[in-house]
Amino acid sequence: KAGVTQTPRYLIKTRGQQVTLSCSPISGHRSVSWYQQTPGQGLQFLFEYFSETQRNKGNFPGRFSGRQFSNSRSEMNVSTLELGDSALYLCASGRDSGNTTYFGEGSWLTVV
Amino acid sequence: AQSVTQLGSHVSVSEGALVLLRCNYSSSVPPYLFWYVQYPNQGLQLLLKYTSAATLVKGINGFEAEFKKSETSFHLTKPSAHMSDAAEYFCAVSEEVNKAAGNKLTFGGGTRVLVKP
Repeated sequence: KAGVTQTPRYLIKTRGQQVTLSCSPISGHRSVSWYQQTPGQGLQFLFEYFSETQRNKGNFPGRFSGRQFSNSRSEMNVSTLELGDSALYLCASGRDSGNTTYFGEGSWLTVV
Repeated sequence: AQSVTQLGSHVSVSEGALVLLRCNYSSSVPPYLFWYVQYPNQGLQLLLKYTSAATLVKGINGFEAEFKKSETSFHLTKPSAHMSDAAEYFCAVSEEVNKAAGNKLTFGGGTRVLVKP
């Protein structure tokens, strides 16, 4: 059974640009969550989608957005990139609330 | 609001020695508790999960954790450390079967384990 797949694994962007990251959840999982990991702030919850609806949102500015498609695949977008957005972005999937959440390998974003 | 505190950002153990990683949580409702491990340049791998079925939870790679409600703790242990245990470990909490909370996990700051030969 395939795990959570994230693309791209590594990318470098310039300040002011925008970026889109993609996540394919484990087959049968309808919940997809996104997290940002940085050395200074640790692991922080961005948002969660379930059946194409945003169910929960963390404390991030509106430049961070996401969506989920009917096949449960999800994308997150960061607009007007700042240096501080450099981080590992992790996607996680699960069946529903309270079920085990499985993480992908992450997308390393460097903003220069 | 939930929170998780991991005592000690770095732990050094000798190969074959006991590994003990501490985790304390706060939650207004019965929690689900998790331990994840992260190897360099990788995502998070689930070690074990507490869901109120049993207070002592056994996970992968010889790890186990004990839920103590009175102490609001969920410490992770492994009797004998192996070189391959060198990694960063994260404790996390989510609310139990709360549809509104979804699958939001709140993580501790992580504990990096160094294993000395």
